[in-house]
Amino acid sequence: GDSVTQKEGLVTLTEGLPVMLNCTYQTIYSNAFLFWYVHYLNESPRLLLKSSTDNKRTEHQGFHATLHKSSSSFHLQKSSAQLSDSALYYCALSSPNTGNYKYVFGAGTRLKVIA
Amino acid sequence: AQTIHQWPVAEIKAVGSPLSLGCTIKGKSSPNLYWYWQATGGTLQQLFYSITVGQVESVVQLNLSASRPKDDQFILSTEKLLLSHSGFYLCAWSLGGGTETLYFGSGTRLTVL
Repeated sequence: GDSVTQKEGLVTLTEGLPVMLNCTYQTIYSNAFLFWYVHYLNESPRLLLKSSTDNKRTEHQGFHATLHKSSSSFHLQKSSAQLSDSALYYCALSSPNTGNYKYVFGAGTRLKVIA
Repeated sequence: AQTIHQWPVAEIKAVGSPLSLGCTIKGKSSPNLYWYWQATGGTLQQLFYSITVGQVESVVQLNLSASRPKDDQFILSTEKLLLSHSGFYLCAWSLGGGTETLYFGSGTRLTVL
């Protein structure tokens, strides 16, 4: 079945340094959608980015990610980390096939930004 | 604007006791509804989804059941809790499946002792 791998459980960064959170996935569907959700403490998880287009950069709120189908990756990046970026980040996968209502999440990466 | 409300915020229950968690979505007609569960240190696992009133599909078997008694309400329940049911439960809705964004509630923290 589909799976999403986020190898880093915790990433600790100094403010101002670049962010890269890794996400790789496995699916048999060539038209799969990849998502990044962010979960701030005491808030609900919410969508940060999503994409289904190969090699196209998607950006939102200073974060960006590019879906690379050749390597089955959808890494999340930001040029300069801010203290307010500290949160739990989930990569997720779904396919738009008829009757599909399943979203598969990775284990999540906790980003901790320190001064 | 759409709102999603989950209740209760937290529960501490004994093994073997019943459980009922709820979720209400306002401002959106006929949403797709989902239940997710996260064990401590684990990933978000989809438990159930529902695309219409009275119809619920199970994704993962955890000795839990779900029901959708009204268009805007999704209930997660069990008659006998297990220690393994502890964790964080999230309700979510979407406009459709697959490509659509999930909108999550604030979650329920369940501790089974």
